[in-house]
Amino acid sequence: AQSVTQLGSHVSVSEGALVLLRCNYSSSVPPYLFWYVQYPNQGLQLLLKYTSAATLVKGINGFEAEFKKSETSFHLTKPSAHMSDAAEYFCAVSDRPGNEKLTFGTGTRLTIIP
Amino acid sequence: GAVVSQHPSWVICKSGTSVKIECRSLDFQATTMFWYRQFPKQSLMLMATSNEGSKATYEQGVEKDKFLINHASLTLSTLTVTSAHPEDSSFYICSAWDVVSTDTQYFGPGTRLTVL
Repeated sequence: AQSVTQLGSHVSVSEGALVLLRCNYSSSVPPYLFWYVQYPNQGLQLLLKYTSAATLVKGINGFEAEFKKSETSFHLTKPSAHMSDAAEYFCAVSDRPGNEKLTFGTGTRLTIIP
Repeated sequence: GAVVSQHPSWVICKSGTSVKIECRSLDFQATTMFWYRQFPKQSLMLMATSNEGSKATYEQGVEKDKFLINHASLTLSTLTVTSAHPEDSSFYICSAWDVVSTDTQYFGPGTRLTVL
């Protein structure tokens, strides 16, 4: 069985500050990891995904995440927060090479302080 | 990116009635679509995998006779909540898997179901 834990249901950062959203996973097989963002009244949008290639994954909107097997983590970062980054962020894991059967974390709501 | 639509975006119904939710992939064909349920302040829970031309695969604990899924074409899957009750009130989200081009699930905006 796989699971994902997102530490912090709410994170607030000042505009221009570093964004760090935490995600730890549990998987009995090599995982495939994803970060999705959900803006109000919109569907989830894929930010980035790790599929056993480079451990540092760059995504859209300036976000990146690093896969650390020793820490079973896949934290999402962005060097400088923008007001438009305010949204709900979900980490997800899959045990398939294809992007299916996703198990989601509980989400982290990111608030940007002007 | 690819677009997935859902209709309706919200629906209110009386207890005991059935409600159908449509999920369409607008610019790609999806042999596989997924249906999720999201409770307030909780994560998305996979309900079932919808395969075009075959029966859906339901996750453990999901009543297949209550949540009927039909995937009649490569761009349309429907979820019918039969004999809905207040505990079925939730946010239902579908996704379509573009396995050919991007190997990515694209999500619809969701449908808010309220059962009175």
